[in-house]
Amino acid sequence: QKEVEQDPGPLSVPEGAIVSLNCTYSNSAFQYFMWYRQYSRKGPELLMYTYSSGNKEDGRFTAQVDKSSKYISLFIRDSQPSDSATYLCALHGGAQKLVFGQGTRLTINP
Amino acid sequence: DAMVIQNPRYQVTQFGKPVTLSCSQTLNHNVMYWYQQKSSQAPKLLFHYYDKDFNNEADTPDNFQSRRPNTSFCFLDIRSPGLGDAAMYLCATSRGAGAVSGANVLTFGAGSRLTVL
Repeated sequence: QKEVEQDPGPLSVPEGAIVSLNCTYSNSAFQYFMWYRQYSRKGPELLMYTYSSGNKEDGRFTAQVDKSSKYISLFIRDSQPSDSATYLCALHGGAQKLVFGQGTRLTINP
Repeated sequence: DAMVIQNPRYQVTQFGKPVTLSCSQTLNHNVMYWYQQKSSQAPKLLFHYYDKDFNNEADTPDNFQSRRPNTSFCFLDIRSPGLGDAAMYLCATSRGAGAVSGANVLTFGAGSRLTVL
């Protein structure tokens, strides 16, 4: 079993839709939960991160962590074509190195 | 702007012909990483430097080597590239190496895409 599981998609939605991206994990030691966005042929860039359980909002983006279920989510409201990218979850805790999910490829159709 | 710069962005080489990829950073971060990312896969950590201390991942082939001559620069050497080494190579930096005092946020370069003929 992989430490982090993420549905690779592809996921295609119309502009303006609410998008939900998810990861599950198996290691309860993870404390920091990040989302990176990677445009085609570019390096990943940090979108947002959360510590422990709860929600964090930044503009149209909301990150949610449920440690009891070992489940993390990223919601995108009012999705735009410029949001089309691959979204990678990344987790770590303590002295452990960062573990990435496979990434979900998202396309927002105008 | 402080950033991570990778060169070249695109590299084509022949089977077995050595390749060197470079990475420079202006963030003054202690840690520099090299990741390999194949299509539709998660980035795979090859190794990292904490200052001058080199940390190799157990499953990184001997074909991959790295050098960090100073804080700002790090190189990835692929001694004898095979067809399976075709990938995007990502350099990243971070201030620290663990989550001791906060999230270990990585800043990535734009990547170097390697094609092996």
